[in-house]
This record gives sequence, structure tokens and C-alpha cells, in this order.
Amino acid sequence: AQSVTQPDIHITVSEGASLELRCNYSYGATPYLFWYVQSPGQGLQLLLKYFSGDTLVQGIKGFEAEFKRSQSSFNLRKPSVHWSDAAEYFCAARGSGAGSYQLTFGKGTKLSVIP
Amino acid sequence: DSGVTQTPKHLITATGQRVTLRCSPRSGDLSVYWYQQSLDQGLQFLIHYYNGEERAKGNILERFSAQQFPDLHSELNLSSLELGDSALYFCASSGTVNTEAFFGQGTRLTVV
Repeated sequence: AQSVTQPDIHITVSEGASLELRCNYSYGATPYLFWYVQSPGQGLQLLLKYFSGDTLVQGIKGFEAEFKRSQSSFNLRKPSVHWSDAAEYFCAARGSGAGSYQLTFGKGTKLSVIP
Repeated sequence: DSGVTQTPKHLITATGQRVTLRCSPRSGDLSVYWYQQSLDQGLQFLIHYYNGEERAKGNILERFSAQQFPDLHSELNLSSLELGDSALYFCASSGTVNTEAFFGQGTRLTVV
């Protein structure tokens, strides 16, 4: 079955520190991959996406993610975290073939930022 | 602002009742998706409509149904509500095949 795993339920970092959120996927073929962020009481905002090509993708708010086929991973990174980055982060995937447009989400990683 | 509008933002209702959640997709988007977010199940795909036709079903209960109208807005109908149906329901829309989905702010449903 297709699945997305985010191993870390909760991560706490100090403001200004670097951040890496882990995501692993299990799909028959390389899926399309996404990272979304959800602030309390808010909807899901797309941070970045990977369809094909360059394995290092840049997103909004200074985030980037690296696709590693050999590790079935798509980890999210930020070099310097700001207090406003505190939120819940979701990795998602969908098939790249026709008729497979719905997203499968990981359970999410909650990020806390210490001032 | 994603351009996807969901109404209402909050809904409180009693068990056994029926409610309708509404979604207006981004201008020009033909696909509408519904997702349910709960503490125990996380984000789960419910159903996908494309230009008025149902395209895929996920973990959607038989008590739930959806439709997409000619103007492309969509409604999710939840009936015979149970306490366990309390959740955040998201609508998302997308354009062509290789485009990302944009999410609305969600409707928080509380069943009491």
C-alpha cells in the first residue's frame, strides 16, 4: 500500500538553528512529493513540491527539500528557523500516473521554536 | 489566501443530524478534493470530483456523499452524524494533471 511516513511527531529547535524534518515514502513508482504547513486554526499551505528534475527544490519562506530516490526520502530543511515557523508540517505524495491525483499524507511533525 | 473558499468555518450540531459543507474552488480549477483531518486518523482523502464527475473515492463513509455542480463548487453532505465525525474537513482544488492542490481553511465540525 502507498504510504508516507514522518518519523518525528514533535521537534523543538532554538530560533536561528537549522532544521531538518524527515519524510519517507512507499510507492510503486516515484510519486510527486509535497510539503505543506499548517498553523494553528489555519488551512494547509503549500511550501514546495517535487515532480521531476533537480532533486533539490526551493520553496517559500526559505524552505528547501531534497529528493533522494535511493532512500525513498524527501526531507525538508531550513538553515535558520524563525519563531514564526512554529507550526505543523505535513509531507504528502500522490501517484504520477493518470487517475491518481489524491494526496496521501504523513501524520505530521509539530515544530516548536524556542526564542 | 489560497483562493479556495469553504463555508461555514465552524459548525456545531447534534448526533443524528445532517449537515452540508460547501467549497468554492480556485477560479479555473476543475478538480475538487475533500479531506478529513482528525486527531486519530490524521489527514484522510475522502473523494475527488473533476468537472462534475466523481473520479476517486477514498475512506468515505456511506453516510457521507458529495457532488460538484456545473459552476464547479462542491458540497459534502454528512448525515446521521456521530460523535466520531467531529473533525476538520478540508476542500482542495487543482487545475491540470501536473499541478499542486490548494487547500481551503477548512470547516471544523463538532458533533455533540
